[in-house]
Amino acid sequence: AQSVAQPEDQVNVAEGNPLTVKCTYSVSGNPYLFWYVQYPNRGLQFLLKYITGDNLVKGSYGFEAEFNKSQTSFHLKKPSALVSDSALYFCAVRDNSGGYQKVTFGTGTKLQVIP
Amino acid sequence: EPEVTQTPSHQVTQMGQEVILRCVPISNHLYFYWYRQILGQKVEFLVSFYNNEISEKSEIFDDQFSVERPDGSNFTLKIRSTKLEDSAMYFCASSGGLGAQETQYFGPGTRLLVL
Repeated sequence: AQSVAQPEDQVNVAEGNPLTVKCTYSVSGNPYLFWYVQYPNRGLQFLLKYITGDNLVKGSYGFEAEFNKSQTSFHLKKPSALVSDSALYFCAVRDNSGGYQKVTFGTGTKLQVIP
Repeated sequence: EPEVTQTPSHQVTQMGQEVILRCVPISNHLYFYWYRQILGQKVEFLVSFYNNEISEKSEIFDDQFSVERPDGSNFTLKIRSTKLEDSAMYFCASSGGLGAQETQYFGPGTRLLVL
């Protein structure tokens, strides 16, 4: 079984400050981790993913995420937040065991960047 | 940049009616998926489809649901007799491969309201 936890329903950050959106996961096999962003009344946009290799993954719009196997975490980060980053962020996981094709999503974290 | 498209963007129907939600996946993708997001809740996997058959489905995907690829470009989700609890945003997704590392790209969604 695979699962994802996003412990914060909402994160508030001032524009220009660094941001972190937290995610922890649980899988049976090796994890493949994804971040998606959802703007109001829009679909899910892919931001980045971790497959293997370097633990720091860089993605779209200046976002990056750090994979930490010992802490089973995949936190999303950005050095300097923009007001336009305000949206709903979903962490997601698939594992490579059991032939699972579905992506399992977390409950989402609402990011509010304050001007 | 290629993208997944979905029609209609909004659909209102009466309980017990049949609805068909339509999706056009990214043109060179072979793997297709439906997810749903009940208002305020997380995104949930419904079904995956490859080579004209269902390859995985969740417990949500009961006999009221069916999927079809009626031609070379469209992928549809049919709900035979809608219930109030089917009200949700329905997302179509596609991927170029089946492996767990493959990114699923999502459409903008169809908001279904069952009255």
